[in-house]
Amino acid sequence: QQQVKQSPQSLIVQKGGISIINCAYENTAFDYFPWYQQFPGKGPALLIAIRPDVSEKKEGRFTISFNKSAKQFSLHIMDSQPGDSATYFCAASIVGNQFYFGTGTSLTVIP
Amino acid sequence: GAVVSQHPSWVICKSGTSVKIECRSLDFQATTMFWYRQFPKQSLMLMATSNEGSKATYEQGVEKDKFLINHASLTLSTLTVTSAHPEDSSFYICSARDLQSRDQPQHFGDGTRLSIL
Repeated sequence: QQQVKQSPQSLIVQKGGISIINCAYENTAFDYFPWYQQFPGKGPALLIAIRPDVSEKKEGRFTISFNKSAKQFSLHIMDSQPGDSATYFCAASIVGNQFYFGTGTSLTVIP
Repeated sequence: GAVVSQHPSWVICKSGTSVKIECRSLDFQATTMFWYRQFPKQSLMLMATSNEGSKATYEQGVEKDKFLINHASLTLSTLTVTSAHPEDSSFYICSARDLQSRDQPQHFGDGTRLSIL
């Protein structure tokens, strides 16, 4: 059973546009929801993370929106840039335990 | 900030040989480390959880005799792929649990690309 479902699989956005990636989870015990950015041949790098006690967190151009009742969370990348072109993974965990990753979204930002 | 170092970053070897991958937490102690495998254009899949001083816990379908994990110190875990075959070629990524950090309770290494000829 897929613990975390992620969509879309791929996304093409114009430079300056907003990129939106969505995730849904099953386990209500999850209490840590990070987003990772991965470039080819590199390990995942933490972008931003949220705990279920807040509904939104913003860091620079990156925002997580969290809907606890719907068991969904999303990543918004404002003013998308070509350098943002990468694969993005959402994840969920019970803090201290393994991460359950989404299937990934390949983002391409067109100049 | 906390860093996890993974070595080597890339290894190519012949079929039948064994390969050891190291995962080190550089500025914090990690009682628990995780090993993931990632195939091209796919997500990270947990292989095993490594606990310092005890046996690793393997996920269903992962052969513990093929993927030997040792976590002998609070800063080092190793994954040995024994008698590697081409189907073991993949990107292996470790992470280390950091109980001192609320914002980032796990730190990931940069991965090891394993190619078996």
